Formats: sequence, structure tokens, C-alpha cells
Amino acid sequence: GAGVSQTPSNKVTEKGKYVELRCDPISGHTALYWYRQSLGQGPEFLIYFQGTGAADDSGLPNDRFFAVRPEGSVSTLKIQRTERGDSAVYLCASSLSHGGGQETQYFGPGTRLLVL
Amino acid sequence: GNSVTQMEGPVTLSEEAFLTINCTYTATGYPSLFWYVQYPGEGLQLLLKATKADDKGSNKGFEATYRKETTSFHLEKGSVQVSDSAVYFCALVSTDSWGKFQFGAGTQVVVTP
Repeated sequence: GAGVSQTPSNKVTEKGKYVELRCDPISGHTALYWYRQSLGQGPEFLIYFQGTGAADDSGLPNDRFFAVRPEGSVSTLKIQRTERGDSAVYLCASSLSHGGGQETQYFGPGTRLLVL
Repeated sequence: GNSVTQMEGPVTLSEEAFLTINCTYTATGYPSLFWYVQYPGEGLQLLLKATKADDKGSNKGFEATYRKETTSFHLEKGSVQVSDSAVYFCALVSTDSWGKFQFGAGTQVVVTP
């Protein structure tokens, strides 16, 4: 079956612009996660969804970042008024359910965002 | 808070050498521990995991044992191949932060023929 997919694979934008990053989780996975990975660092948690609701958004760095998952499948991470410091690889992951620490998270290939 | 510290890379080895990547953690609650691997040009993949103290995770010749007394989860492989060249990430998720993986910075491993 298909894995987690993310589009676009690369996004170049100018400072101050708005961007949307899309994630298609594995079919049937109810939990979805967003991470951000800066160069030379490990992924950093942003937000996760259980179904349609954001169960924990404590990792979003500020109110320029917002994510939705309206039908409990595809999710969109939205960044307003982008800044150069937002440049990173944005990773999406999904798991069968949010069943605690034993659930394996399956990662997508990421979207590389560059803000000029 | 929770944190993961792993040895800095790059680690450069010859084929068939023994590999160890150190990983230590601090966590509130009861963590589950993971190793993820990122091959060049690919996404993160789960390599192995352990969910309680003294558990040993293993996969593809790699092993790691959950040591609560030393808060460690070191990754080992007895004989590496060129195809093991990748970046390895140690990670934890804890009972007080389900779903929120805490990753280490990653260790790049380069295996030469």
C-alpha cells in the first residue's frame, strides 16, 4: 500500500508570503503528526491530530502556524507571513491510532521549505 | 522535560566493522524508545523499538537494549555494510507526552568498502 505522501516536495517562497503544505496519511490511520527538521537537527514536534481534532498543538512555534484536518484524513499545515527562520524540512507522519507509545509513526518524505 | 542525546557524527567505518551509536535520555513518565534511520534521499524509517526496561529491539542485524539504570539505548551492529550508510536518530515518547516524539540530533554513519 501507499505510504505517507507530502506535497510539494520542495517549496521556495519569499519572506512574508503564505504557504500551505499538504500531507496524505496512510489509509486508515487515524493519528497524524507534523514535525519540523532543521539542518543537522532531529525532527521537532509541531502538532498531532486524532481524527479531525488537534489533540496537541503545543509544538507550534507561534500563531503564524496553523494546521487542519477537516475530514480526518488529509492535513494541511499553513504558515502565514513566512520568515527566513521557517526554512526547514516539514515532516508528516501517521499511525494507526493514538494508542500510546507503542504506536509506530510512519513518516513521509517531507517538504523542503526555503524562505528567501 | 524530555530529551535525547546521541553521539555526534559523522562516524566513518570500514565494511564489516562493529558499529555503536550511543544514546542517552532523560524523561518524565515511562518512555518508549526508538531508533529511526534515514537513508540518503529517503524518509525516516523505524529501525527498532523497545517499550519497557530490559527489552531488546532488533532488526536488520541492529540491536538496542533499553537500560533504565543508565538511561541509555545504544544502537549496535556487529558487521556493517556499505548499505548501512545513513543518518540514525534515537527518539523517545513518554507516558506524559503521548504522540510527541523527542528526537536526538542524529548521527551520520558512513561505511566505506
